[in-house]
Amino acid sequence: DAKTTQPNSMESNEEEPVHLPCNHSTISGTDYIHWYRQLPSQGPEYVIHGLTSNVNNRMASLAIAEDRKSSTLILHRATLRDAAVYYCILRDNNQGGKLIFGQGTELSVKP
Amino acid sequence: ETGVTQTPRHLVMGMTNKKSLKCEQHLGHNAMYWYKQSAKKPLELMFVYNFKEQTENNSVPSRFSPECPNSSHLFLHLHTLQPEDSALYLCASSQDPGRWETQYFGPGTRLLVL
Repeated sequence: DAKTTQPNSMESNEEEPVHLPCNHSTISGTDYIHWYRQLPSQGPEYVIHGLTSNVNNRMASLAIAEDRKSSTLILHRATLRDAAVYYCILRDNNQGGKLIFGQGTELSVKP
Repeated sequence: ETGVTQTPRHLVMGMTNKKSLKCEQHLGHNAMYWYKQSAKKPLELMFVYNFKEQTENNSVPSRFSPECPNSSHLFLHLHTLQPEDSALYLCASSQDPGRWETQYFGPGTRLLVL
């Protein structure tokens, strides 16, 4: 499985941008980069995904390095409700598109 | 509200009990999944169903028995569990199992095996 590396934890202040990094140096050309987050006492929820180009949606932006060996999830203005564990996941069609979760980054947001 | 519901939300059972977890999705999806999340461990995929057919069993012990009677419902039948099976069991669904498809998760069933 192509693996990802994320910091165990990060802190942010409310209303400030947050950049969550993910390294995936063994990514293959067909792997999609997905981000999910898990709020306390809830199941994971989809945040964003991309293949090569940067992506934006109402929740976040995804910046993908040109060599695709790393990516960054950007929350433009963190709120207290964004405190969660954020998972960066590579999905490979050879694995049937499985979601393989790592430990993720626990984001705390201070008021 | 993700469109995926799970019942019960909490369950306590003894090692000799038999119980079932239920998952229902209201999204018209064709693929459904069971995941296990133990304390301090990443989510682990257990089973995948696509159009009611099991397409993946991730080496799950036979004391966990899934059932998918139709594309909207998924069950996990539990019998003779061990205390180490205590965990959060999450159900998810997606339009199909493709690597670009979003999975939608339910809130989970918190299981405690005594």
